[in-house]
Amino acid sequence: DGGITQSPKYLFRKEGQNVTLSCEQNLNHDAMYWYRQDPGQGLRLIYYSQIVNDFQKGDIAEGYSVSREKKESFPLTVTSAQKNPTAFYLCATQAGGYTFGSGTRLTVV
Amino acid sequence: QKEVEQDPGPLSVPEGAIVSLNCTYSNSAFQYFMWYRQYSRKGPELLMYTYSSGNKEDGRFTAQVDKSSKYISLFIRDSQPSDSATYLCAIVSGGSYIPTFGRGTSLIVHP
Repeated sequence: DGGITQSPKYLFRKEGQNVTLSCEQNLNHDAMYWYRQDPGQGLRLIYYSQIVNDFQKGDIAEGYSVSREKKESFPLTVTSAQKNPTAFYLCATQAGGYTFGSGTRLTVV
Repeated sequence: QKEVEQDPGPLSVPEGAIVSLNCTYSNSAFQYFMWYRQYSRKGPELLMYTYSSGNKEDGRFTAQVDKSSKYISLFIRDSQPSDSATYLCAIVSGGSYIPTFGRGTSLIVHP
């Protein structure tokens, strides 16, 4: 069953802590993306990767980091430098239109 | 001015109504148009996409593009409570592959 798996579904972060959100795909798509979704603001692009071992900053990359060591995996780390990380995070792949994962809801406690 | 404008709603309609969801855009280089549906706490799913001006129909859904007015629409016929969701437009320019998303319109179809 092809698709994108994001984990965990819910994540809680303490102040000053780094956390990593997982995104795995078995669609064999080259391009992968991370978006942040806040109420009333739509989707904002954090990072994207067109190919293994290469990635580019999106519109709101500050406070985030990524890696792309395998085609199937594109993890996102939310660092302590991100001052307002509470949001819904979406991973997507692209072949024509986007295919999205089911998202991770991150909350700072 | 945002590149893609979309009224956030909410838009509330009775079951069976025809729904019209709209986006306007400012960049005339936009050439590829998509509509996504997002249920609460889920990722968006692609409903329809089109390259050209005119209408494209898929079941109860019709996507309409008017490039001269920089205006796109999604029509839903015979709306159902299960259509209640947020609908996002997304537009790609000819020189890019990364879409610009609208903010999404919240649709509520009540029985």
